[in-house]
Amino acid sequence: EDQVTQSPEALRLQEGESSSLNCSYTVSGLRGLFWYRQDPGKGPEFLFTLYSAGEEKEKERLKATLTKKESFLHITAPKPEDSATYLCAVQPPDSNYQLIWGAGTKLIIKP
Amino acid sequence: NAGVTQTPKFRVLKTGQSMTLLCAQDMNHEYMYWYRQDPGMGLRLIHYSVGEGTTAKGEVPDGYNVSRLKKQNFLLGLESAAPSQTSVYFCASSWGTSREAFFGQGTRLTVV
Repeated sequence: EDQVTQSPEALRLQEGESSSLNCSYTVSGLRGLFWYRQDPGKGPEFLFTLYSAGEEKEKERLKATLTKKESFLHITAPKPEDSATYLCAVQPPDSNYQLIWGAGTKLIIKP
Repeated sequence: NAGVTQTPKFRVLKTGQSMTLLCAQDMNHEYMYWYRQDPGMGLRLIHYSVGEGTTAKGEVPDGYNVSRLKKQNFLLGLESAAPSQTSVYFCASSWGTSREAFFGQGTRLTVV
């Protein structure tokens, strides 16, 4: 069964302390990997789409990378406003509409 | 620019009651989706639509029905609510299947 696993479940960092979130998947030949940010009480907000191993995307303090079995979301010098739950989703090769979502990593940045 | 709007935001139902959740988008997207989000689990697709007048089952469709009579609206119905349907429901829309999806604010539903 195809699975998407995010780790850690929760991560507490000091402001300015860089780190990485992991999204590992068992899907072969994925059509795309998506990162979303979700603030408490709100819907997910799109961050990045990655399509092939070796691809990287950046946005402000965030950089997403992709290998054949996992993706990393690197957070450089985070600020308290980066606190959120980060969700990863994978589109399998045989699915036009359905994504497989991870449970998310809750990131807390302390000032 | 409203994006995706869901109503209501909160609702408490008694077991066996029915209700309809409304989703409206103003981005002229063809694709619309209904998800549920439960603690410790990833989002799960309930139903989706690839255009006006079309609907299809997702991963967890049992106990739910949907309709898309107008392109901008996607309705999710619970015919006879059960406690297992207590969840946060999100509607989303997109230009295509591999494109970014825009989500609504969610509806927190409690079935007692």
